[in-house]
Amino acid sequence: KQEVTQIPAALSVPEGENLVLNCSFTDSAIYNLQWFRQDPGKGLTSLLLIQSSQREQTSGRLNASLDKSSGRSTLYIAASQPGDSATYLCAVIGLSNTGKLIFGQGTTLQVKP
Amino acid sequence: KAGVTQTPRYLIKTRGQQVTLSCSPISGHRSVSWYQQTPGQGLQFLFEYFSETQRNKGNFPGRFSGRQFSNSRSEMNVSTLELGDSALYLCASSLEGTGITGELFFGEGSRLTVL
Repeated sequence: KQEVTQIPAALSVPEGENLVLNCSFTDSAIYNLQWFRQDPGKGLTSLLLIQSSQREQTSGRLNASLDKSSGRSTLYIAASQPGDSATYLCAVIGLSNTGKLIFGQGTTLQVKP
Repeated sequence: KAGVTQTPRYLIKTRGQQVTLSCSPISGHRSVSWYQQTPGQGLQFLFEYFSETQRNKGNFPGRFSGRQFSNSRSEMNVSTLELGDSALYLCASSLEGTGITGELFFGEGSRLTVL
């Protein structure tokens, strides 16, 4: 059974810092991994999608890496801003779970001005 | 291009009632999936529809059901509501389906409160 874990559960940093959010999964047989952002009371905003054949994806100040063999992904946020404050969720689709995303519990980030 | 639209955004029901939630996917997307989000359990998969057919189903009781129409719009229904059904219900759409490396796009959700 696929399980996704995100560490840390919460993180508070001063504005301008570079930071790394971690995601690990127990079954390396995945189709892809997707990172999302969720603001309080809102839906999920897709940040980056990494397909199983890829090692990383970049969008602006965000960079996500994927190491399937070790069951890990990291989301790197450069030069953090207060507007980055949100909960960040990673999710995977396993080969045996077509159509079903398995989510981690999320990392709640606070960037202080 | 409009995103995923969910209605209603907020609703309050009492135990024993039933509720229907609606989801309009991004134009051209044929796959719609539903998720329940609660503080204790996080995000859990309910079901996925593609071309009007349910392709996958999560571990929820039969009180939770859904359907998809020919225009890809989807509805989910919860009958005989229980207090534990209070949650944010999120709908996501994808071009071809999450199992074919498709990126999921989520709506703002429907916040259901059961009293």
